Amino acid sequence: QKEVEQNSGPLSVPEGAIASLNCTYSDRGSQSFFWYRQYSGKSPELIMFIYSNGDKEDGRFTAQLNKASQYVSLLIRDSQPSDSATYLCAVNGNSGYALNFGKGTSLLVTP
Amino acid sequence: NAGVTQTPKFQVLKTGQSMTLQCAQDMNHNSMYWYRQDPGMGLRLIYYSASEGTTDKGEVPNGYNVSRLNKREFSLRLESAAPSQTSVYFCASSTGLAGVDTQYFGPGTRLTVL
Repeated sequence: QKEVEQNSGPLSVPEGAIASLNCTYSDRGSQSFFWYRQYSGKSPELIMFIYSNGDKEDGRFTAQLNKASQYVSLLIRDSQPSDSATYLCAVNGNSGYALNFGKGTSLLVTP
Repeated sequence: NAGVTQTPKFQVLKTGQSMTLQCAQDMNHNSMYWYRQDPGMGLRLIYYSASEGTTDKGEVPNGYNVSRLNKREFSLRLESAAPSQTSVYFCASSTGLAGVDTQYFGPGTRLTVL
């Protein structure tokens, strides 16, 4: 079973702080890594993806990938209360089409 | 573009009843997926269709059937609903092309089986 692990949280950070969300995966053949945000009662929406080792920045969001350690993270700078949601890590292996999702980390940004 | 649409949004069934969940995408995507999401379990793949005319089982296919009606539409059928199938069902689609293949999700169907 290919596993994607996330701390369920809740992770609580004050407004304006950096939120750090972490994800580990078991399949060394994994090639693409995705972060989705899901508000309560809504569907997952893509924040960003990464497939090369290192950092990838998009606005207030930075994804970090370390394939040797099988670790991917998402940093949210200047966190806002509107960032309060569940963040899902998803991994696409080399077997084709399926995305394996972690169970998500609940983030709460307090004013 | 509407993206990925799903009908119905909500449904209540009695044990043993059947129903079909509909999904359509207008992004000209090749691949389509059905997931279920349960509290504490995350998103789990039920079935997927890599391209028109093909379907494959995912992690939790038992109790479900699918039909890729055409490139746009991918339906999920519950032949005899069971309380264990109470869940939120999401349809997703992607280009299915080589490289980073991002999946985009529909709004979901909340199904309760009594």
